[in-house]
Amino acid sequence: RKEVEQDPGPFNVPEGATVAFNCTYSNSASQSFFWYRQDCRKEPKLLMSVYSSGNEDGRFTAQLNRASQYISLLIRDSKLSDSATYLCVVNRYTNSGYALNFGKGTSLLVTP
Amino acid sequence: GAVVSQHPSRVICKSGTSVKIECRSLDFQATTMFWYRQFPKQSLMLMATSNEGSKATYEQGVEKDKFLINHASLTLSTLTVTSAHPEDSSFYICSAREGASYQPQHFGDGTRLSIL
Repeated sequence: RKEVEQDPGPFNVPEGATVAFNCTYSNSASQSFFWYRQDCRKEPKLLMSVYSSGNEDGRFTAQLNRASQYISLLIRDSKLSDSATYLCVVNRYTNSGYALNFGKGTSLLVTP
Repeated sequence: GAVVSQHPSRVICKSGTSVKIECRSLDFQATTMFWYRQFPKQSLMLMATSNEGSKATYEQGVEKDKFLINHASLTLSTLTVTSAHPEDSSFYICSAREGASYQPQHFGDGTRLSIL
């Protein structure tokens, strides 16, 4: 089983739609969780951290279920500029401390 | 927000050349820096982790003699791809973390390396 699994998509949605992405992780010892977005041929940019109680940042809502090892991202009122690949990211312990495990990403295309 | 600068953004060179990539944290001190590689349509793969003033820790399968990492200060890490070959062509991205392990990492712009 991959350490971080995401549905690769693509998700094609019209402007204004609500879209949800899911992610599962295999390492129950993981402590930190993030969603990053990556535009084509660009570096990942932090979208938001994910907390156990769930958290919201504008149109974006993230949820974490530690028991199920499941993370979600909800985007409301989609904009054209939301088109990107969304990376589910989970930390893991290595010999040199904590590092990040990236999912392959879920591709979103918002259309006019 | 935290800014990480990576240079150069694009490199095209002949096989056998060594290429040096710099990663700088501009507005914070990065206790830990990371080097990733991303092939097309693949996820970011961690190559190595470096803490300032100590030797880098390489992931399994990454040759430390080929990918030389130096983290001489709290704001600068370098990756040198020695004697690069076409199979080393990839998108190399650095990231930096300011403090505790639960803090997010901030990424540089990435370096697109093409070896002819």
